[in-house]
Amino acid sequence: AQKVTQAQTEISVVEKEDVTLDCVYETRDTTYYLFWYKQPPSGELVFLIRRNSFDEQNEISGRYSWNFQKSTSSFNFTITASQVVDSAVYFCALVYNTDKLIFGTGTRLQVFP
Amino acid sequence: DGGITQSPKYLFRKEGQNVTLSCEQNLNHDAMYWYRQDPGQGLRLIYYSQIVNDFQKGDIAEGYSVSREKKESFPLTVTSAQKNPTAFYLCASSIRMSFGEQYFGPGTRLTVT
Repeated sequence: AQKVTQAQTEISVVEKEDVTLDCVYETRDTTYYLFWYKQPPSGELVFLIRRNSFDEQNEISGRYSWNFQKSTSSFNFTITASQVVDSAVYFCALVYNTDKLIFGTGTRLQVFP
Repeated sequence: DGGITQSPKYLFRKEGQNVTLSCEQNLNHDAMYWYRQDPGQGLRLIYYSQIVNDFQKGDIAEGYSVSREKKESFPLTVTSAQKNPTAFYLCASSIRMSFGEQYFGPGTRLTVT
């Protein structure tokens, strides 16, 4: 079965702390894509990153970084020096041969000043 | 500005009434999607459309209907047959339905009493 698990329901940190959001996926397909989306309080999902199953290179974009490890079926997301504006719900998602996104249940991140 | 619009932001209906949620995109995307989001859960796919005049059921299509008469528009009707219609509804689109990232609208929060 195809599945995405985000075990952390809610995380609270103080501004400037680093925080890692975990994502574990399950799929039997060899070709798949993984995504991270951010949902701020306004409700709209914002695309952050897409990674295909053949590219295990880590990605860094400003304060954001992603660690993809096929050996552990994980695609973790780290925010360095967190800011209050990072407060949101973050979703990890998987798409495989059906071309339909399967979402995890999300992790709510609260960054306090 | 290109994007996806959903209206209204908040919608209230009495039980037993059908209600239609609008979704319009000017991104020239072929594929469009409707998701439902409930508290503490990830997004669940209701319907999707890969091309005009064609659409398929997602994971939770019962009690919903859609149409795709124009490339730009993908309205969702929540019928009286939907047992728990109160939820946050998100529309999305992608260039095509093949591992591409999806872009989301701001969502409509529907409350049925």
